Amino acid sequence: DSGVTQTPKHLITATGQRVTLRCSPRSGDLSVYWYQQSLDQGLQFLIQYYNGEERAKGNILERFSAQQFPDLHSELNLSSLELGDSALYFCASSRSMEDTQYFGPGTRLTVL
Amino acid sequence: AQSVAQPEDQVNVAEGNPLTVKCTYSVSGNPYLFWYVQYPNRGLQFLLKYITGDNLVKGSYGFEAEFNKSQTSFHLKKPSALVSDSALYFCAVRGPFYNQGGKLIFGQGTELSVKP
Repeated sequence: DSGVTQTPKHLITATGQRVTLRCSPRSGDLSVYWYQQSLDQGLQFLIQYYNGEERAKGNILERFSAQQFPDLHSELNLSSLELGDSALYFCASSRSMEDTQYFGPGTRLTVL
Repeated sequence: AQSVAQPEDQVNVAEGNPLTVKCTYSVSGNPYLFWYVQYPNRGLQFLLKYITGDNLVKGSYGFEAEFNKSQTSFHLKKPSALVSDSALYFCAVRGPFYNQGGKLIFGQGTELSVKP
């Protein structure tokens, strides 16, 4: 157990809908990262927050957004969902940007 | 741009034999390299990392990795494979902090299968 928690574990929804994925980092970690894992794209970085501020953006769609709250948990919001958004979404955290990233168990999103 | 390649989609090894999972990288500047393992329906687990120092890095569960700057490689090794080592292995390089915030760039993964 890495200490990073993600909810929900599974999410099944329809095209056009909006969902929110939640991540709680390890105790003491200030940096949170979101990654998407799909069969065709592999593991792709989406976005990073450090102590509440956005620090880096990857190949994140405009339909997706995220934030990190004062208690350091983070949420990834996915809207106008498409079939191709079906994937495993991972959150990772680290103490600082230089430290090792530890991953949560992931949220499996299925868009029907 | 930073990139990582894992040239083998699958590696098959007999239990008790040594295993190697290959990784090559391309970076500008000093490489920060990582290995993670993913078991079915689980998240990624950190195995080991190379930042600087000794070229042979020891990690969790008896794994080690050899950093080779001239060959730009960071191969994962274990002297004696276990059936329980069967999983998906990812090599990753960390992007530069100045504009990429420390994000990880992953290879496509190598499926390791250890047979009894």
